Amino acid sequence: AQKVTQAQTEISVVEKEDVTLDCVYETRDTTYYLFWYKQPPSGELVFLIRRNSFDEQNEISGRYSWNFQKSTSSFNFTITASQVVDSAVYFCALRVHPTDSWGKLQFGAGTQVVVTP
Amino acid sequence: GAVVSQHPSRVICKSGTSVKIECRSLDFQATTMFWYRQFPKQSLMLMATSNEGSKATYEQGVEKDKFLINHASLTLSTLTVTSAHPEDSSFYICSAYPRDRGSGANVLTFGAGSRLTVL
Repeated sequence: AQKVTQAQTEISVVEKEDVTLDCVYETRDTTYYLFWYKQPPSGELVFLIRRNSFDEQNEISGRYSWNFQKSTSSFNFTITASQVVDSAVYFCALRVHPTDSWGKLQFGAGTQVVVTP
Repeated sequence: GAVVSQHPSRVICKSGTSVKIECRSLDFQATTMFWYRQFPKQSLMLMATSNEGSKATYEQGVEKDKFLINHASLTLSTLTVTSAHPEDSSFYICSAYPRDRGSGANVLTFGAGSRLTVL
């Protein structure tokens, strides 16, 4: 069975602080994909990143960075110099391959990030 | 990029009525679409997989007679919540992959969601 754990329910920071969101996953499959999505108050899910299980390179995109460590089954996400617009719920998700449903993502519970001015 | 459109974005209905939510892929064809449900302050859960021209596949615990899914074309899937009750109040989100999946690792694109409130 697959499982994604986001232990942090809510993180509050002051603008310009860095914030790291933890994501721990469980799967017995050797091929899988990990995702991060952002859900602002308006509700739509915004894709942030996809990483496959064979690519452990960390990635940086602007103020966002991701740390993928298979040894600890973690795929953590850091926002550097946070801004008020970063306030949202962030979901980590897992999809195994092959799967009987390409659309079946196992989502974590989400972490609410609150950035105050 | 691929865009998935949902309508309506918000709907309020009386208990016992049926509500239809549309999901359209605007600039690509989708043989398969996916319906998720999100209760307040909770995560997203896959309800069903909508297959163009055939029956939908429902996840365990989802009542297929209550949540009717029709995927009549390559760009449109509809979810009808029949005889809605207050416990059906939720955020319903559809998603799709572009038809040409390539490696299969393409990004699942989500609609903006439809918030259903049943009084």
